[in-house]
Amino acid sequence: GESVGLHLPTLSVQEGDNSIINCAYSNSASDYFIWYKQESGKGPQFIIDIRSNMDKRQGQRVTVLLNKTVKHLSLQIAATQPGDSAVYFCAEAGRGNEKLTFGTGTRLTIIP
Amino acid sequence: DSGVTQTPKHLITATGQRVTLRCSPRSGDLSVYWYQQSLDQGLQFLIQYYNGEERAKGNILERFSAQQFPDLHSELNLSSLELGDSALYFCASSVGFAETEAFFGQGTRLTVV
Repeated sequence: GESVGLHLPTLSVQEGDNSIINCAYSNSASDYFIWYKQESGKGPQFIIDIRSNMDKRQGQRVTVLLNKTVKHLSLQIAATQPGDSAVYFCAEAGRGNEKLTFGTGTRLTIIP
Repeated sequence: DSGVTQTPKHLITATGQRVTLRCSPRSGDLSVYWYQQSLDQGLQFLIQYYNGEERAKGNILERFSAQQFPDLHSELNLSSLELGDSALYFCASSVGFAETEAFFGQGTRLTVV
């Protein structure tokens, strides 16, 4: 079946540096992608999204890049802070945005 | 705070027992979703209710069941518990059908011993 997965399960980054978290998806029909942040003891929290008709979208300190050719999604976090330490999930949805498929997650640790 | 409330936050129970997890959606939200998250695993969709009716079913075991009440709160019932049922159980809610617009609660951590 089709699935969404992550290249790296853990990532440690020095505070102040930029981080990149990657995600591969296998459903070429996926139309919409979301990155979630899950802090310890909390539920997933929406960070940023992107539609398949875009290849880049920027938020506050975060940028999502979508490469449909290789079915790859990445989340860039600029100038990382201790509060960025969390597990980050990508998720994909087909047309209609009704159903999500979640990736396994990458644990990002910011080193002070 | 997402506005989605889950109780209890932690639950420890023995194998073979039955537990009920509760979720209060955000005010105005009609859909409630339940997920299971095992250690270092992604979220696995269990079931969705919309305005009291079951709308979508995922990988939910027959030992598990859920319902949504007229006041839109939802309960997830887990019975004949096994050690492997130990996990975080999340509830999310959205106004309409779109799971992509859902907000998540803080979860209930279930430990089966």
